[in-house]
Amino acid sequence: QKEVEQDPGPLSVPEGAIVSLNCTYSNSAFQYFMWYRQYSRKGPELLMYTYSSGNKEDGRFTAQVDKSSKYISLFIRDSQPSDSATYLCAMSGPSGGSYIPTFGRGTSLIVHP
Amino acid sequence: DARVTQTPRHKVTEMGQEVTMRCQPILGHNTVFWYRQTMMQGLELLAYFRNRAPLDDSGMPKDRFSAEMPDATLATLKIQPSEPRDSAVYFCASGLGQQTTFGSGTRLTVV
Repeated sequence: QKEVEQDPGPLSVPEGAIVSLNCTYSNSAFQYFMWYRQYSRKGPELLMYTYSSGNKEDGRFTAQVDKSSKYISLFIRDSQPSDSATYLCAMSGPSGGSYIPTFGRGTSLIVHP
Repeated sequence: DARVTQTPRHKVTEMGQEVTMRCQPILGHNTVFWYRQTMMQGLELLAYFRNRAPLDDSGMPKDRFSAEMPDATLATLKIQPSEPRDSAVYFCASGLGQQTTFGSGTRLTVV
């Protein structure tokens, strides 16, 4: 079992829908939780990160972390075709003074007009 | 915007040849990572440096892969000899704290 599990999808939704993307993890030492977006043939780009449990909102994006369940989510409101990409969750905890992200495999999202 | 620059963007090589990938991290970032991405495995950490010192390369096949950071503006990943199973996209990323920025990757095909 991988440390971070993420359903690869694809997840196909109509424009305007609310999208829910999720990851589970097994390492209770993880403290930082990140979401990256990766367009085809590009590198991942950091969308947002949270520390420990709780919610964080940035525009149409909301990240939730539930450390008791080892479960994190990313919600996208009013989804747009330009949101079509692969979304990767990542997590990190202290390791020799560094925080090294461990990634999920990514969920492919398709938003159709 | 500051960015991580990787070269080459694409590389096709024959099995057994040496491959060198280069990365210019963002100035001021103290951590540099090398990741490999495949459909089957996703993003796998190969090696990372902090303040140019190699801290962990346990993700790399030691007999054929090597990673170095000769100065603050250059990180290299070398494969010698290359094998078809090395075909993947190799990403360099640099970071400071929790802010990690990825390059556009080197797409390697070994035939």
